[in-house]
Amino acid sequence: DAGITQSPRHKVTETGTPVTLRCHQTENHRYMYWYRQDPGHGLRLIHYSYGVKDTDKGEVSDGYSVSRSKTEDFLLTLESATSSQTSVYFCAISGGDTGELFFGEGSRLTVL
Amino acid sequence: EDQVTQSPEALRLQEGESSSLNCSYTVSGLRGLFWYRQDPGKGPEFLFTLYSAGEEKEKERLKATLTKKESFLHITAPKPEDSATYLCAVLPYFGNEKLTFGTGTRLTIIP
Repeated sequence: DAGITQSPRHKVTETGTPVTLRCHQTENHRYMYWYRQDPGHGLRLIHYSYGVKDTDKGEVSDGYSVSRSKTEDFLLTLESATSSQTSVYFCAISGGDTGELFFGEGSRLTVL
Repeated sequence: EDQVTQSPEALRLQEGESSSLNCSYTVSGLRGLFWYRQDPGKGPEFLFTLYSAGEEKEKERLKATLTKKESFLHITAPKPEDSATYLCAVLPYFGNEKLTFGTGTRLTIIP
């Protein structure tokens, strides 16, 4: 199994509070991704990173920011959480040569 | 814009009853098509990559095939442990390593 750890795995927070989700990898892969998964929408890309300090937006990036200061860590921040950001968040990594993604176990976020 | 459509949305089969899941795609130059399996409460697990039309990949009771417009995941004599959601995704040649996913087919195998 790919070495990907997401934390926290579960979080309940209130509207307007900041939230940070962490993804840690031990594979030394170049590419890291944050997806959200919602019923009826499937997996949608929020942000991704193609190297340390190199990030780009996905299709649902509004309300989210990311940072990658080390190869192994990719942080997703909700500056001011809203109920529409209640979702399951998945981190994924890729070496980039074959395009295959390997996913973490997910972080379930509930915004009340 | 790349698009992936999976059908059916849900499928219930008796144990041993073979069937196929469909993934139709539109992409500006296909670099790879991926199949994943996802169990409830878990992250997607990689199954196959297909790169060109006519290619086939097999793993246990699963076989994935690819044409220029769609991919099929054939399930032969399924067992209850094959119950899961199966996701399809495409990677274009131009897109900075970003996959586009379908919404999945939820497969239930009844003992």
